[in-house]
Amino acid sequence: DGGITQSPKYLFRKEGQNVTLSCEQNLNHDAMYWYRQDPGQGLRLIYYSQIVNDFQKGDIAEGYSVSREKKESFPLTVTSAQKNPTAFYLCASKAGGGQETQYFGPGTRLLVL
Amino acid sequence: DAKTTQPTSMDCAEGRAANLPCNHSTISGNEYVYWYRQIHSQGPQYIIHGLKNNETNEMASLIITEDRKSSTLILPHATLRDTAVYYCIVRVLFSGGGADGLTFGKGTHLIIQP
Repeated sequence: DGGITQSPKYLFRKEGQNVTLSCEQNLNHDAMYWYRQDPGQGLRLIYYSQIVNDFQKGDIAEGYSVSREKKESFPLTVTSAQKNPTAFYLCASKAGGGQETQYFGPGTRLLVL
Repeated sequence: DAKTTQPTSMDCAEGRAANLPCNHSTISGNEYVYWYRQIHSQGPQYIIHGLKNNETNEMASLIITEDRKSSTLILPHATLRDTAVYYCIVRVLFSGGGADGLTFGKGTHLIIQP
């Protein structure tokens, strides 16, 4: 089955702790994205990567970090600097080369204890 | 990306056609209309996109007005599983470099009634 997987589905973070959210795709897509969604709101872009070993900040990158060491993987770390991390986190990918349709994973819900 | 306006919520009876409107009066000539939907606590799902001609796929039809200032997404035979938030997005086909994420507003919450 081709698609995007995110894990875990639910994640709990203690104060001052860094946590890493996983995103893997087997679609052979070049570009990958991380979004944050708060209750009743639309999506906001955290980071994106158009190619391996390169990534760019989105609109709300403060308190987050990413890496793109492999084409199929784009993990997101929520650091202790992110003061309000409770949200629904969505990963997406896009083929590139003129194709703009983004495909989303099932999401990870992060809760702060 | 041009701004879009959608109703906050809509109801539709199961089995009937659901027609979801979207206004995008500032759309540019090279911008496409995309529709996604998000079922509660899931990731958004791509539905359809179009430039100026009407489009149809296995999920829905997209009707774009001649002046391209508005569009309608049609779910021909709505089922309970179509209850979701539907997002209308306007975007160039190939954004090239630069910040490249999709801008999702609050969308339309479509509720299919049994």
